[in-house]
Amino acid sequence: TQLLEQSPQFLSIQEGENLTVYCNSSSVFSSLQWYRQEPGEGPVLLVTVVTGGEVKKLKRLTFQFGDARKDSSLHITAAQPGDTGLYLCAGGGSNYKLTFGKGTLLTVNP
Amino acid sequence: KAGVTQTPRYLIKTRGQQVTLSCSPISGHRSVSWYQQTPGQGLQFLFEYFSETQRNKGNFPGRFSGRQFSNSRSEMNVSTLELGDSALYLCASKGQSGTDTQYFGPGTRLTVL
Repeated sequence: TQLLEQSPQFLSIQEGENLTVYCNSSSVFSSLQWYRQEPGEGPVLLVTVVTGGEVKKLKRLTFQFGDARKDSSLHITAAQPGDTGLYLCAGGGSNYKLTFGKGTLLTVNP
Repeated sequence: KAGVTQTPRYLIKTRGQQVTLSCSPISGHRSVSWYQQTPGQGLQFLFEYFSETQRNKGNFPGRFSGRQFSNSRSEMNVSTLELGDSALYLCASKGQSGTDTQYFGPGTRLTVL
């Protein structure tokens, strides 16, 4: 069974601070996706990374896929209250099935 | 394009009852996946349907079942409800390619009393 461990589980920071969320596994994934979920809504895809060592930037968000494709990180620069939400990583395998981590609940205080 | 819709949005049932949840995918999408989300276990994969056939299945008991219709709409059924079945049930649809983005609906919040 493939498992994804996310850390930290909870994160509360002040507006303007930087933060990094981690997603680790002992398994290799063909792709790694990051989602953000807001209360009362389903997860929304932020990015997909597929190549070991790949780095993608989305405005203030930087995503990295580990060289061995077993881990990933999400770094947010100068966090804003609008970044508040549950951040989920999900690993993709060859059978179209996604394995999700339990998520990091981020609160950015004004 | 309209997004993924799920009905009902909220549901309260008692132990032992059964429940049917509905999901309408984005127009043109033939793959529909179902997930259970709880605070303790996070998002767990239930099953995926593609062109009316179950293509993948997670590790849930047989009380959880699903089906997909020719118009790609999908339903999931939970029989003999248990307290632990209380959760947010999410449906997601995607296109034909394995690399297509998966789009989630807002979910159905099921509470079992």
